[in-house]
Amino acid sequence: EAGVTQSPTHLIKTRGQQVTLRCSPISGHTSVYWYQQALGLGLQFLLWYDEGEERNRGNFPPRFSGRQFPNYSSELNVNALELEDSALYLCASSSRQGQLSSYNEQFFGPGTRLTVL
Amino acid sequence: AQTVTQSQPEMSVQEAETVTLSCTYDTSESDYYLFWYKQPPSRQMILVIRQEAYKQQNATENRFSVNFQKAAKSFSLKISDSQLGDAAMYFCAYRSPVTGGSRLTFGEGTQLTVNP
Repeated sequence: EAGVTQSPTHLIKTRGQQVTLRCSPISGHTSVYWYQQALGLGLQFLLWYDEGEERNRGNFPPRFSGRQFPNYSSELNVNALELEDSALYLCASSSRQGQLSSYNEQFFGPGTRLTVL
Repeated sequence: AQTVTQSQPEMSVQEAETVTLSCTYDTSESDYYLFWYKQPPSRQMILVIRQEAYKQQNATENRFSVNFQKAAKSFSLKISDSQLGDAAMYFCAYRSPVTGGSRLTFGEGTQLTVNP
């Protein structure tokens, strides 16, 4: 069974630019989560999508946005890049057990390393 | 809001020995999930073990086991017979089944070195 995949692996952008990161969940998983792992800041929750809807959002500015497609893959968009956006962006997926509060554990992709110059 | 604290930024262990990584958390919820994830140099996050708060029995996965003390809000990971491949950053994580959706709240991580 294929795991969570993310693209691209690495990305270099300059301040003010926009970037799109992509994630494909494990087959059968309907939920996708985005996390930011910045140096010295640990892993921070960004966004959660399930069944095409944004379900929850972390404490990040509106220039961080995303969407989930009918095939459950997801994109994370970051506008007006700032130097502090340099980080590893991790995507995770999980299946749903039928009730809103009964999600299975999250499986992570290899991440996209974003460098903002 | 829930918080997770790992007070050991770095730990080291000799190959074949046992090491325990500490994790404490703060929550007002009675039902929740706790996890240990491993992040090797490849940066791929790997689930090591999970614990449901309503289960009193400590979870075990081969050489990995936890000591879950609900009243003390403590969730430590014990690695027995440590192997070189266990060297990684270990993250403790909390997930609420109700509030905050299904997000994971992570601790700061503990860098584990395994010495041959």
